[in-house]
Amino acid sequence: QKEVEQDPGPLSVPEGAIVSLNCTYSNSAFQYFMWYRQYSRKGPELLMYTYSSGNKEDGRFTAQVDKSSKYISLFIRDSQPSDSATYLCAMKASSNTGKLIFGQGTTLQVKP
Amino acid sequence: GAGVSQSPSNKVTEKGKDVELRCDPISGHTALYWYRQSLGQGLEFLIYFQGNSAPDKSGLPSDRFSAERTGGSVSTLTIQRTQQEDSAVYLCASSAPKGTYEQYFGPGTRLTVT
Repeated sequence: QKEVEQDPGPLSVPEGAIVSLNCTYSNSAFQYFMWYRQYSRKGPELLMYTYSSGNKEDGRFTAQVDKSSKYISLFIRDSQPSDSATYLCAMKASSNTGKLIFGQGTTLQVKP
Repeated sequence: GAGVSQSPSNKVTEKGKDVELRCDPISGHTALYWYRQSLGQGLEFLIYFQGNSAPDKSGLPSDRFSAERTGGSVSTLTIQRTQQEDSAVYLCASSAPKGTYEQYFGPGTRLTVT
């Protein structure tokens, strides 16, 4: 079993929809949670970062962490065709390590 | 400013040959990382450098894989005696000293072993 599980999709939604992307994990030591976005043939770029539990909002994006359930989510409001990409969750246990554990990635397509 | 650059962008090699992949991190970033992304897989951590030393090389899949970093800047990932299962996109990332969660990725090197 992988440390981080993520449904690969693909997920297809109409423009304007609310998108929910999720990851579950098994290592209770994880404290740092990230969402990266990766466009085709490009490297991933950091979208959201959350430390420990709680919510964080940035424009149309909201990240949620529920450590008790070992479950993290990314919500995208008013989705746009430019949001079409692969979304990867990532996590790590401490501030001293550089090693990120990534989920498989969910491919999202937003149709105009 | 310039981002992380990697070369070559594509590499096709025959099984059994050695390959070298290069990464130029963002200037001033002391931390450098190598990951591998295979079809249908997420990013798989390979090795992490802080300066020229590698405190975590736990992700290197076999002794055919090695990496070095010189001058606290450029890094080279070497794969010896390549196998078909080594075919993947190899991604390099760098980060500022206190921001290891915010890793800036290069475009990757797409390696195909025939």
